[in-house]
Amino acid sequence: QQPVQSPQAVILREGEDAVINCSSSKALYSVHWYRQKHGEAPVFLMILLKGGEQKGHEKISASFNEKKQQSSLYLTASQLSYSGTYFCGTDVSGNTPLVFGKGTRLSVIA
Amino acid sequence: DAGITQSPRHKVTETGTPVTLRCHQTENHRYMYWYRQDPGHGLRLIHYSYGVKDTDKGEVSDGYSVSRSKTEDFLLTLESATSSQTSVYFCAISRRGETYGYTFGSGTRLTVV
Repeated sequence: QQPVQSPQAVILREGEDAVINCSSSKALYSVHWYRQKHGEAPVFLMILLKGGEQKGHEKISASFNEKKQQSSLYLTASQLSYSGTYFCGTDVSGNTPLVFGKGTRLSVIA
Repeated sequence: DAGITQSPRHKVTETGTPVTLRCHQTENHRYMYWYRQDPGHGLRLIHYSYGVKDTDKGEVSDGYSVSRSKTEDFLLTLESATSSQTSVYFCAISRRGETYGYTFGSGTRLTVV
């Protein structure tokens, strides 16, 4: 099943923070996060493995709650360059193709 | 420079014609995937490959076939194109391993008229 992302869209002013959530009905082995700018390919941000770890990438970090099968992507002090659509991709075994959520469109305005 | 290219980048074709999209990688990665992207649906898996001549179906495989005769090439064929197959098609590659993400090609925008 496709993971559920929320919110579907969010508008931020520069410097504001945002959280994007990804929930699955299945037990997960890992969660990936990608960002796609308009007209471009998705770009890998980070991967989180079961075990509840948290990772960071510049001012973008993420967590994975294994018990709830949820991952959250945290964007702090947003910049204009953060605009795009964010996708989570889930893997149930470590050996299966990713299933992606429908995406969260993030718009950062000046 | 990412080591993965898709061709063609754009294509318009007529209903009922066969169409083949090509994905070429220079990274020697074992895993290759075809996804389609449609508004409101995100990325949906069509087919994937875990080695030469080893392929499997994804969730939206009806009307599509694939072939992988060499590590570097993964072909997606629409056997008889329909308007519902108008979409943006992305190929992706990945290494086996827990810390590696997918690298996507630039995509092929296909319009079936």
